[in-house]
Amino acid sequence: GNSVTQMEGPVTLSEEAFLTINCTYTATGYPSLFWYVQYPGEGLQLLLKATKADDKGSNKGFEATYRKETTSFHLEKGSVQVSDSAVYFCALSGENSGYSTLTFGKGTMLLVSP
Amino acid sequence: SAVISQKPSRDICQRGTSLTIQCQVDSQVTMMFWYRQQPGQSLTLIATANQGSEATYESGFVIDKFPISRPNLTFSTLTVSNMSPEDSSIYLCSVETTLYGYTFGSGTRLTVV
Repeated sequence: GNSVTQMEGPVTLSEEAFLTINCTYTATGYPSLFWYVQYPGEGLQLLLKATKADDKGSNKGFEATYRKETTSFHLEKGSVQVSDSAVYFCALSGENSGYSTLTFGKGTMLLVSP
Repeated sequence: SAVISQKPSRDICQRGTSLTIQCQVDSQVTMMFWYRQQPGQSLTLIATANQGSEATYESGFVIDKFPISRPNLTFSTLTVSNMSPEDSSIYLCSVETTLYGYTFGSGTRLTVV
């Protein structure tokens, strides 16, 4: 079945540091890949997505590239801010009984200090 | 994106009781999804609700415990029945639209005491 593996957190960084959160996946077919963000006390928000190999998703300074050869979708940001502190979930969409559903990784908490 | 209104946003319930969570979407959607997020954990799909048919439950979830209604293309409910402290979680509904992809409600934070 489909699965997503993320690096464990928390990831603790100082403001303006470089961020990488690793994500690898196992899936049949050609899934779409997503990063979602969950700020404290809130629901999930889509951060970025990529629908095919070599696509790069980007939003709010975050980027991730769909690497089929390494089955990875690592999240990066060049300079993090305190406001980026949140839990980040990698996910893929795959076929399940004739329709697509999301499979999530366990989430990685990011803590950014001033 | 599609706008999802989910309520209640939080509740504290006594064990043995039931809670019904409502999810309203601002557009017609075929599939609605219900997820559970246990404390410190990722999201786990409970079931998929297709209007006009029985919900499809994932392994480990049963209709008696989590009955779902889907009376029309914009609305669904999830009931958490005969609750125990282990049911304390965040419950989220989600929809998929062609235009916006997957969108999530803000979640219902349930505490069972």
